[in-house]
Amino acid sequence: EAGVVQSPRYKIIEKKQPVAFWCNPISGHNTLYWYRQNLGQGPELLIRYENEEAVDDSQLPKDRFSAERLKGVDSTLKIQPAELGDSAVYLCASSSTLKVNYGYTFGSGTRLTVV
Amino acid sequence: QKEVEQDPGPLSVPEGAIVSLNCTYSNSAFQYFMWYRQYSRKGPELLMYTYSSGNKEDGRFTAQVDKSSKYISLFIRDSQPSDSATYLCAMRYNAGGTSYGKLTFGQGTILTVHP
Repeated sequence: EAGVVQSPRYKIIEKKQPVAFWCNPISGHNTLYWYRQNLGQGPELLIRYENEEAVDDSQLPKDRFSAERLKGVDSTLKIQPAELGDSAVYLCASSSTLKVNYGYTFGSGTRLTVV
Repeated sequence: QKEVEQDPGPLSVPEGAIVSLNCTYSNSAFQYFMWYRQYSRKGPELLMYTYSSGNKEDGRFTAQVDKSSKYISLFIRDSQPSDSATYLCAMRYNAGGTSYGKLTFGQGTILTVHP
């Protein structure tokens, strides 16, 4: 079984520029998560999808961040415009709703550097 | 104060040592407890999960949960250099609603096992 695939792996952009991250979850996983991990910290949830619906986006900074999950499969997270403080690793994860109690599978993340 | 506190270390031990990693938490609504291992430049990988209080063993790894003290532990026996990684505790609520499935992570403990 292929894992959670994220791209790009690394991204360096200048502040005020837009950036987008892509995630392909494990086949059959209807729940998808975006987390942000700052250096030396644990991941923090940004948004959770159940199929196409964003059911928890309370931690997403909506003034500059947006996300979508078309057709309930792949997802894109966008930042526009990026700020220096957005430098972090953006992790995507997926799970089956029936097995969410057992944790979920993370991708390798996109490491964003804003200069 | 964070909901989940974890000593960031770093922790350095000789090969073969017993390692003890710990987290404390403040929210008694947490019911599911997990440990993730994260290698450098990789996403977190689920290591152990437990429900409510008790112990769970898997090979060289033992997870303990003491809900009365709001304290969880991970023990690694006969530690190996390949165990060198960041260990993250994580927990989630049992209740439904928008927070269902959300994991709250500790800061992570950096472990180095030297030959």
